Amino acid sequence: EPEVTQTPSHQVTQMGQEVILRCVPISNHLYFYWYRQILGQKVEFLVSFYNNEISEKSEIFDDQFSVERPDGSNFTLKIRSTKLEDSAMYFCASSERQGYGYTFGSGTRLTVV
Amino acid sequence: GESVGLHLPTLSVQEGDNSIINCAYSNSASDYFIWYKQESGKGPQFIIDIRSNMDKRQGQRVTVLLNKTVKHLSLQIAATQPGDSAVYFCAENKAGNTPLVFGKGTRLSVIA
Repeated sequence: EPEVTQTPSHQVTQMGQEVILRCVPISNHLYFYWYRQILGQKVEFLVSFYNNEISEKSEIFDDQFSVERPDGSNFTLKIRSTKLEDSAMYFCASSERQGYGYTFGSGTRLTVV
Repeated sequence: GESVGLHLPTLSVQEGDNSIINCAYSNSASDYFIWYKQESGKGPQFIIDIRSNMDKRQGQRVTVLLNKTVKHLSLQIAATQPGDSAVYFCAENKAGNTPLVFGKGTRLSVIA
């Protein structure tokens, strides 16, 4: 069964550093998403991406965040100047159709110290 | 793996019993609803979905009920097994228009 692959599974970074979280969506999917989940809380939408541009973003997704599809397979989330409160699980998802049939990756646990 | 949802409501059921997990959704304009299962250290895994033109849908051992009048969604799991232990989230969207919005999860613990 096709999977969404995320790397690394766990990243520890110092406050103020930049991190890049990587995702390989399912190959025939056209819509890509990033969500995050702070420990003990619900899964929160960050951004959706289609046709090489952001289609929607939440208020969490401020100038500190950016997304990119640098090649035909990878989808990345960059967090500049990380803060302690950025510590969370970050999930990538992809879908063939907008709004339907999301497949989530296993997540990257980001710990900012 | 990481323990997700330390402060979530918990439902404890005996193995073999039926489980009912409830969700109150927020947007009356939502017309597509999904239940996800999340095991420790993993991403959300699709269980079952339902569109707003239906009030019930059945899968293998699972049933989703939708009550649009009171904006309530429930997931019924028949003959609950230890492998069903996880956190369960409902999610909603306005079909095709908006990203999925997740509700608060419920931790299901199955007692063998």
